[in-house]
Amino acid sequence: AQSVTQLGSHVSVSEGALVLLRCNYSSSVPPYLFWYVQYPNQGLQLLLKYTSAATLVKGINGFEAEFKKSETSFHLTKPSAHMSDAAEYFCAVSDADSNYQLIWGAGTKLIIKP
Amino acid sequence: NAGVTQTPKFRILKIGQSMTLQCTQDMNHNYMYWYRQDPGMGLKLIYYSVGAGITDKGEVPNGYNVSRSTTEDFPLRLELAAPSQTSVYFCAAATRTGGETQYFGPGTRLLVL
Repeated sequence: AQSVTQLGSHVSVSEGALVLLRCNYSSSVPPYLFWYVQYPNQGLQLLLKYTSAATLVKGINGFEAEFKKSETSFHLTKPSAHMSDAAEYFCAVSDADSNYQLIWGAGTKLIIKP
Repeated sequence: NAGVTQTPKFRILKIGQSMTLQCTQDMNHNYMYWYRQDPGMGLKLIYYSVGAGITDKGEVPNGYNVSRSTTEDFPLRLELAAPSQTSVYFCAAATRTGGETQYFGPGTRLLVL
């Protein structure tokens, strides 16, 4: 893996609206893809991951992500935002080129408006 | 089952001082990692270990040292602290590499003045 790009350092949505957090990666070999969430003043925890099984991956708290190889994307979505979803979200990729070390995106802070 | 624990939670260091950040896991995972998190930069890997007695450098190892004498413990040593080492440090553990989940500790916030 060479890099991970998360579009938008901050994303603001209204409570009940669709959440879409974008992640694009570069990798010349089959990747593993991850989304982690970080709540304020806490460590990171896994939301979901893609490990070469189904391309649509469901995670915790109603989040899901779709692996699209042709677009080198792994965008995170949730149909209806809750106030408790306010956090920072990180996309990460690992593959044989990175010796399976995680390469991280810069993160996207999700803000939920009441 | 505490998972991954880190101490201290917060520390202020003067330039040139040294300190050790502690990391302990009770999951019996072989792989352990140290990351630093700077605002807007994501996480950068400092060092990692694939088992007791084996460590290797990550992307940003300069100014740090590690040891892994047991499966449980993976301390990170800062020698001659510099303002550039002001950051939040996270320790993580995993059963193996590849598609495996990394489990993170709560972090240590370090301020070097």
